[in-house]
Parts: sequence; C-alpha cells; structure tokens
Amino acid sequence: DVQMTQSPSSLSASVGDRVTLTCRASQSIGVYLHWFQQKPGKVPKLLIYVASHLQSGVPSRFSAGGSGTDFTLTISGLQPDDFATYYCQQSYSTPWTFGQGTRVEI
Amino acid sequence: QVQLVQSGAEVRKPGASVKISCKTSGYSFTTYDLHWVRQAPGQSPEWMGWIQGITGYTKSSGNFQGRVTFTRDTSANTAYMELSSLRSDDTAVYYCARPYDSSGYLSFWGQGTLVTVTS
Repeated sequence: DVQMTQSPSSLSASVGDRVTLTCRASQSIGVYLHWFQQKPGKVPKLLIYVASHLQSGVPSRFSAGGSGTDFTLTISGLQPDDFATYYCQQSYSTPWTFGQGTRVEI
Repeated sequence: QVQLVQSGAEVRKPGASVKISCKTSGYSFTTYDLHWVRQAPGQSPEWMGWIQGITGYTKSSGNFQGRVTFTRDTSANTAYMELSSLRSDDTAVYYCARPYDSSGYLSFWGQGTLVTVTS
C-alpha cells in the first residue's frame, strides 16, 4: 500500500498568513494526488485534483504542486473560513490512501 | 445536478451486519464508478473500495478481510455497502463518493451515514 505522510500534523497561523502543507508518498504516484478540506462534522471537500488543478469554485488563494513523491498545498492569505483540517489522498493505486491530515488552527 | 443521498444512521451490536444505501441522481448511474470511504471519530478518511459503473465489478481494501460487500440496483440508481462481523472499531461515518472521471478524484460525496457499534 502507498503510505501518505503529511506534515506538519497541525499548525497555528493568523488571518492573512501564507501557509504551506506538505504531503509525501511512500512511492512515486505521478500526479495522482488530491487535496481535501474538512471542517468538523462536514463532508470532505475537494480543493485540488491531480496535484495542481483547482477545483471549480475554490478560491485562487489555494495552490498546489508536486509530482512523484512530494507535494505541497499553499494557502496565500489565510481567511477565517480556511481554518480546517486538510487531507491529501492518492489514487495512483488501490487501496487509495489518505494522509493523516494537517489541522490549521488560529 | 449530481446528488448522492445516503440512508440514515444505524446502531448495531458487535457481530451484526449493516447495509447502507447511496441513492444517486443527476447523472448516468452506470457511467461512473462509486467508491466507499469511512471516517472513524478523530481519524483521517479510509478508502473501503469501489464498484465499477459499467460492469458492476467490485474491489475492496484488504483491511476489511472479506467483511465488506458492494452491490447496486441499476434500476434504482442506488449502490449499497454491507459490512459484516461488526466490531466497535467499525464505528464511523460511512460515505459514498463519485469520481469526476477516471483520474480518481472524488468530486461528489454523499452526506455520510453514522454507524455506531455498541453492545
């Protein structure tokens, strides 16, 4: 199975900050990496697909990149609505796997 | 628009089974695969498996050791997930989700079904 490791596990930031989250795969997964945002009690929301493509309706302050084993998600100018947990997920091979998440706190 | 509507919360005793439905609308049911994901309290999501849209072929994660079954009723545009031999650590919210296309990103999600396993 492909193991997905996210770092940091949590971070504290302020409104307006730029933050970068990292996701590392245990083997190369090409660009089959997707990012989700989840708030407590809510369904995961797709933000980024295939490593760097912004899902429709997602604000442009979200950006992402990477390929192979190393990926990043950057939020430029944190907004109050962005405080949540972020998960990466690979669809390169089954079983699809998620990272353990990065919690972004105020 | 694409909608996935799941059945309601369930409570089961250890050793029992549970079957959750996912009724879809807004697209051609057999054109797209359907995936099942669960999330235990305080944990990250866990992919359980999928049912192929065209053929009905299924594949599940080895983590479930044959306890999970995916089925569908194409006449009702509904998919089902049945989990047997329930344990307390199966307590979780269970989601059905549909990829946008073959790239595998889960664009559409059901609202989730809480399954509580308790004696």
